[in-house]
Amino acid sequence: DGGITQSPKYLFRKEGQNVTLSCEQNLNHDAMYWYRQDPGQGLRLIYYSQIVNDFQKGDIAEGYSVSREKKESFPLTVTSAQKNPTAFYLCASSIGGDYNEQFFGPGTRLTVL
Amino acid sequence: RKEVEQDPGPFNVPEGATVAFNCTYSNSASQSFFWYRQDCRKEPKLLMSVYSSGNEDGRFTAQLNRASQYISLLIRDSKLSDSATYLCVVNGGTNAGKSTFGDGTTLTVKP
Repeated sequence: DGGITQSPKYLFRKEGQNVTLSCEQNLNHDAMYWYRQDPGQGLRLIYYSQIVNDFQKGDIAEGYSVSREKKESFPLTVTSAQKNPTAFYLCASSIGGDYNEQFFGPGTRLTVL
Repeated sequence: RKEVEQDPGPFNVPEGATVAFNCTYSNSASQSFFWYRQDCRKEPKLLMSVYSSGNEDGRFTAQLNRASQYISLLIRDSKLSDSATYLCVVNGGTNAGKSTFGDGTTLTVKP
């Protein structure tokens, strides 16, 4: 089955620890995205990548880092510098360009204890 | 002002009602437009794309007005299963390669 997978579904970490969220897609999409969603809020863009080995900061990149070494993978690291990391993290992919819709993974709920 | 603004809601309607959502965007160079549906604690899923000529998919009709920079979603004959949050999404233009999401409008359809 083609799709986007994120793991784990739920993640708990202690304050001050870095944690990496996984995102994999087998849709052969060029573009991949990371969003954060807080309760009752919309999606905010953290980082996006339009092609392998290239990525750009979104609107709220501080305290996060990404890599795009393979077309199918776009992991997100939440560092200890992120002040309020508890949130729902969503990964998406698309063919790319401005005319194509994004497809989302099931998300990872991160809770910092 | 936010780049994409939606009716704040919530909308509470009886089954069978017709309900309409509006969304305005500020970037006149935006290229494409979509409505997504998001169920509670789930990922957003594409509901429909929005074209200038308007498009219909069953009970759902989407419309784009570029001159006034707004898009709309009309749901006819509401079902209980339509209860969800509806997200307006605007792509591209000066934000090339990016999508900007509205905060969503929550719909509850009651028996």
